[in-house]
Amino acid sequence: GAGVSQSPSNKVTEKGKDVELRCDPISGHTALYWYRQSLGQGLEFLIYFQGNSAPDKSGLPSDRFSAERTGGSVSTLTIQRTQQEDSAVYLCASSFRPGGSTDTQYFGPGTRLTVL
Amino acid sequence: AQSVTQLDSQVPVFEEAPVELRCNYSSSVSVYLFWYVQYPNQGLQLLLKYLSGSTLVKGINGFEAEFNKSQTSFHLRKPSVHISDTAEYFCAVSSSNTGKLIFGQGTTLQVKP
Repeated sequence: GAGVSQSPSNKVTEKGKDVELRCDPISGHTALYWYRQSLGQGLEFLIYFQGNSAPDKSGLPSDRFSAERTGGSVSTLTIQRTQQEDSAVYLCASSFRPGGSTDTQYFGPGTRLTVL
Repeated sequence: AQSVTQLDSQVPVFEEAPVELRCNYSSSVSVYLFWYVQYPNQGLQLLLKYLSGSTLVKGINGFEAEFNKSQTSFHLRKPSVHISDTAEYFCAVSSSNTGKLIFGQGTTLQVKP
């Protein structure tokens, strides 16, 4: 079956512009996660969705970052007024249900964001 | 707070040699432990996970890991590596209430012919 998909695969933007990154989880997966992978910080958790609600936003680095999920499916991560330190690969993952018990998180290929 | 330490940033090894990638974790509560692999220009793929029960966990591609509670370790091993195992490997611990993963810094496995 189809895996997690993300778009765009690459995004180059100028400092100060807003960007939107999209994630399509595996059909039927209720939990969705965003992570960021950068050279300096490694892999960091950003936000977790259960259905359309986000009970854990603790990893969002600033109020320039926001995310939403609609219809319990597609999620969009928005970065406003991008800065050079936002350059990273943004990874999305989904799992059938929340909790670290038995569920495997399936990762998408990521969106590579470059802020000039 | 939970944390994960991968003790080696790079591990060079010759083809068909055994390898061990080390991982230590810190947590005040019960944990679930994972190893993920990232091949060049690809997303993360689960190798194996420890949830409970037997401390020796077998995964895909001939990898296995042993959970050691007293040493708070979860080292990954393979008895004989192939060139195709060249990748970055991440150890992670999850929070039982949300499932979010806390990753180590990663270990680059470089398999040489």
